[in-house]
Amino acid sequence: DAGVTQSPTHLIKTRGQQVTLRCSPKSGHDTVSWYQQALGQGPQFIFQYYEEEERQRGNFPDRFSGHQFPNYSSELNVNALLLGDSALYLCASTLGLTGNEQFFGPGTRLTVL
Amino acid sequence: GESVGLHLPTLSVQEGDNSIINCAYSNSASDYFIWYKQESGKGPQFIIDIRSNMDKRQGQRVTVLLNKTVKHLSLQIAATQPGDSAVYFCAESSNQGGKLIFGQGTELSVKP
Repeated sequence: DAGVTQSPTHLIKTRGQQVTLRCSPKSGHDTVSWYQQALGQGPQFIFQYYEEEERQRGNFPDRFSGHQFPNYSSELNVNALLLGDSALYLCASTLGLTGNEQFFGPGTRLTVL
Repeated sequence: GESVGLHLPTLSVQEGDNSIINCAYSNSASDYFIWYKQESGKGPQFIIDIRSNMDKRQGQRVTVLLNKTVKHLSLQIAATQPGDSAVYFCAESSNQGGKLIFGQGTELSVKP
């Protein structure tokens, strides 16, 4: 049973560029959430997707956008990258909007130079 | 505002001892709490959770205690092993599948 998978594992970009990160949820899960984890900090909620729609959003600017596909996989897009966007980006999946624990993927390490 | 905080940023224990990691939360609307373990280079791994209608829940070698009166959460690890060395995060949510609010984390170091 595959858990949550994310790609790529590492990524280096320069300021102003755009990046797309990908996530495949755990088998049987239909809800995907994205988190940003800066070094030495706890993960910060970016947004959550269910039924291909953004259901909840954290305090992140519009430069952060996402998408969920019919197969429940998801993408996180970040435009106009800033140095401060350097972080570990985590994807978590669960079943439905309530009632179940969230399983995290290994993350994508983004470095912005 | 909403926040989840930890009392101790680092904790060092001897192998075989019991460990206690503490967490304070401020959002009284939160009704679901989770402890995650994060090893270097990996994503957070679910350890144990508890709903607000409970004050104690036990798993394998781990126990979570919830004190809603003082908004305090703790994780107890029995017979701590070197493999328990990691950063531990508490997280809260107002619904189990929704937004999780994480604390800063406590680094647990187990000395052989």
